[in-house]
Amino acid sequence: GAGVSQSPSNKVTEKGKDVELRCDPISGHTALYWYRQSLGQGLEFLIYFQGNSAPDKSGLPSDRFSAERTGGSVSTLTIQRTQQEDSAVYLCASSSQTLTGDGYTFGSGTRLTVV
Amino acid sequence: LAKTTQPISMDSYEGQEVNITCSHNNIATNDYITWYQQFPSQGPRFIIQGYKTKVTNEVASLFIPADRKSSTLSLPRVSLSDTAVYYCHAGGTSYGKLTFGQGTILTVHP
Repeated sequence: GAGVSQSPSNKVTEKGKDVELRCDPISGHTALYWYRQSLGQGLEFLIYFQGNSAPDKSGLPSDRFSAERTGGSVSTLTIQRTQQEDSAVYLCASSSQTLTGDGYTFGSGTRLTVV
Repeated sequence: LAKTTQPISMDSYEGQEVNITCSHNNIATNDYITWYQQFPSQGPRFIIQGYKTKVTNEVASLFIPADRKSSTLSLPRVSLSDTAVYYCHAGGTSYGKLTFGQGTILTVHP
């Protein structure tokens, strides 16, 4: 597609439930990133993928968070046993092999609310 | 990846030129400097990128001094729609962990 697509755009879930967030990157972009942004805060790195592998998972806040990418394209971020502190906007970005030119392209995010 | 420091907020008025400076003292030789703009409820959007000297596009100009330890994003004749958060990033040409600072909240007043 023309841009990075994320779904759902909004998700309200009950505490303790599992959620899956989806990211569809720009076609041909080999790198894919997940970030989290709490209200009024900056961007918090979670994980990045190079192809289907994840060289850097250092930002995942706990073992309740996991992510996978298949076919070098779509990625899903799964949060198990959601907690209220997981409420945030989850942003996905993709880039080509180098960062020159247009940097990273971000999606519009998934707003997750845990009640 | 170089740590970046920006002012937390800035105020301006319509029609004025706005300059936002970012400090990246430990920038590496292969790091590029990229600026992003973020509106509420949207992901950040690429504005401009440079390595040294001056870069200009239809939206902004980017000034980078010879030592590359800082950069300045210049927005000419801002309008109300330029009210947003502006993030500076200094990183290499290979992908990896992208760390942003807190960004600068720019508010443009009528």
